[in-house]
Amino acid sequence: ETGVTQTPRHLVMGMTNKKSLKCEQHLGHNAMYWYKQSAKKPLELMFVYSLEERVENNSVPSRFSPECPNSSHLFLHLHTLQPEDSALYLCASSQTPDSGANVLTFGAGSRLTVL
Amino acid sequence: GQQVMQIPQYQHVQEGEDFTTYCNSSTTLSNIQWYKQRPGGHPVFLIQLVKSGEVKKQKRLTFQFGEAKKNSSLHITATQTTDVGTYFCAGPGKGGSQGNLIFGKGTKLSVKP
Repeated sequence: ETGVTQTPRHLVMGMTNKKSLKCEQHLGHNAMYWYKQSAKKPLELMFVYSLEERVENNSVPSRFSPECPNSSHLFLHLHTLQPEDSALYLCASSQTPDSGANVLTFGAGSRLTVL
Repeated sequence: GQQVMQIPQYQHVQEGEDFTTYCNSSTTLSNIQWYKQRPGGHPVFLIQLVKSGEVKKQKRLTFQFGEAKKNSSLHITATQTTDVGTYFCAGPGKGGSQGNLIFGKGTKLSVKP
């Protein structure tokens, strides 16, 4: 157990479905992140939240919608996804979002398959 | 744009052999981090290097940060089957973007017993 819990661990959805990924951190960290990990591609940062405010959005399509209701919880809402969105979605947290010093603690990931 | 490149992409070794993965950045880095991801697992932080020329050791793992702070290496002495996994380096994104770590593609290590 890393202190960062992601649910569900596996998700299969159709292109017209709406689903959400959930992340909860028990580390008292102030920043939370969504990363996408696809085969043959490096880890891609999607969103960064610091103290519940979004501070980074790396040109992610609007079919991905993040929500951070408090510093311990992070959601990724999914709708009208494409098959190429199938990937491992990793949540991470850090003490601060300072790019010079942030060490990430990752959750176990949510494996998403879009049919 | 800013890139972090890792070589080799794959490495197959016999148990007991040494292993090295190299990381190169297109820009000077204020620090570099290394993570390990076991098969079916998630990335786990190993170490952070900050100073030019810094060398840090963790048991059989030796991490080095280049003098110019643009490259780094991870060396494993006498690999064991528990070393299997993908090793990633990561550096801060350009422009001070908060939380933006740029990851390399990783080196996947397999160890034959």
